[in-house]
Formats: sequence, C-alpha cells, structure tokens
Amino acid sequence: SQQGEEDPQALSIQEGENATMNCSYKTSINNLQWYRQNSGRGLVHLILIRSNEREKHSGRLRVTLDTSKKSSSLLITASRAADTASYFCATRINSGGSNYKLTFGKGTLLTVNP
Amino acid sequence: GAGVSQTPSNKVTEKGKYVELRCDPISGHTALYWYRQSLGQGPEFLIYFQGTGAADDSGLPNDRFFAVRPEGSVSTLKIQRTERGDSAVYLCASSLAGSGYNEQFFGPGTRLTVL
Repeated sequence: SQQGEEDPQALSIQEGENATMNCSYKTSINNLQWYRQNSGRGLVHLILIRSNEREKHSGRLRVTLDTSKKSSSLLITASRAADTASYFCATRINSGGSNYKLTFGKGTLLTVNP
Repeated sequence: GAGVSQTPSNKVTEKGKYVELRCDPISGHTALYWYRQSLGQGPEFLIYFQGTGAADDSGLPNDRFFAVRPEGSVSTLKIQRTERGDSAVYLCASSLAGSGYNEQFFGPGTRLTVL
C-alpha cells in the first residue's frame, strides 16, 4: 500500500519558474525523502529530511516538513528543462523493526518547458 | 564506483512461464531491497535482505514470488507461473545497512512484460 500522496499529479511550467510539489502521508515517520525518476537515470535520491527537522536545502531544492499536518513540500527554484521528471516522496515509518522500508507516493510528473 | 546493476533490462515472457531477475548491489552494501513499480504508480516494497537472510518478505504478493541472496551480495528475484498482472518494472536497491538514515541506491530496473 502507498502511504504518501503527491499533489499535484502533474505540473507543467516554463524554464526559470519555481515548481512546488506537496506530499501527504498517514502514519508517524522516521524520515521523509524525495526522489526523482526519469527514463535516463532511473530513481535518484534527492534529499532526506528527518522527523525533527522542519526545513532543508540542497542547491536549488528546498524541502519542508510539517509533522503535525503530516505533509511535506519540495520546491525547485529556477527550474531547467533537465528537471523534467517524476518526483516521489518516500517515507520511513517510525517503527524500530521496520524503519528500513521506504513507502512511496504515486508521484508528481513535472514538465519544464524550454 | 559502480552503482546497482540489474539484468536483464527488459524481459518479455509468456503467461505461465518462470522468470529470474538479477540484482548486483553496490559492493559492501549489506542491505538489499526489491521494489515493484506498476505504470503510473510509485515503487512498492517487496522484500528486504540483511546479509543473506530475508529480514522482511511481507511485500511479496503471493507464493509465486521468491527471492534469494545466497552469498550476501547478488540477489535473484524469482517469479513462477507468471501472470499478466506481474507486468511491471522491478527495482532493486542497496544500502550500507538497513537502518532508517542510510540512503538506498536504486538500480535502473528490469521491465517485465507478461504476454
């Protein structure tokens, strides 16, 4: 079963614009991760945010986490055509025996038009 | 260094046949995972190995699915009596250890098509 739900399902923007994707989840988590997937490079890890963190940056990526609302957002600034891909959030649940398992959402398909 | 590799990249088979999918994890990674991704969905967990043993196989859909990792490195996912509903991309991932903060590195996947 899938714990996370990304929103929107699809997003189309112009190069240079910012893209924001949201993720909601259901159970208490250990951490939340964002992945990118395109046909050329497969599934690539972008950023991990721990349950006790509220915001994290990595280059043009900014991730926020609100554990009270069980939601996260991924912001990509100054988007490029090469950012075109599907983006997934994945959670690791807060259970010592099972915190290795990633549970993915359905993903947001981002298209960045040149 | 080399990443996670999976073979074959594509597999087409007929309903009822047996298939094996292979995963070569990153050298030194003790944890190995199999996921399945259907069209338009995110990956879904199948099984987790810590070393040679399957620590959690709760994601395997039924007893037609089986996976092994006899020497704690290469893993093989085996599917018996394939059905059309088994068609999906099968992803393998590995990490240094199984704990929650270790990044999982994914292979390119094997696209299985059951006719």
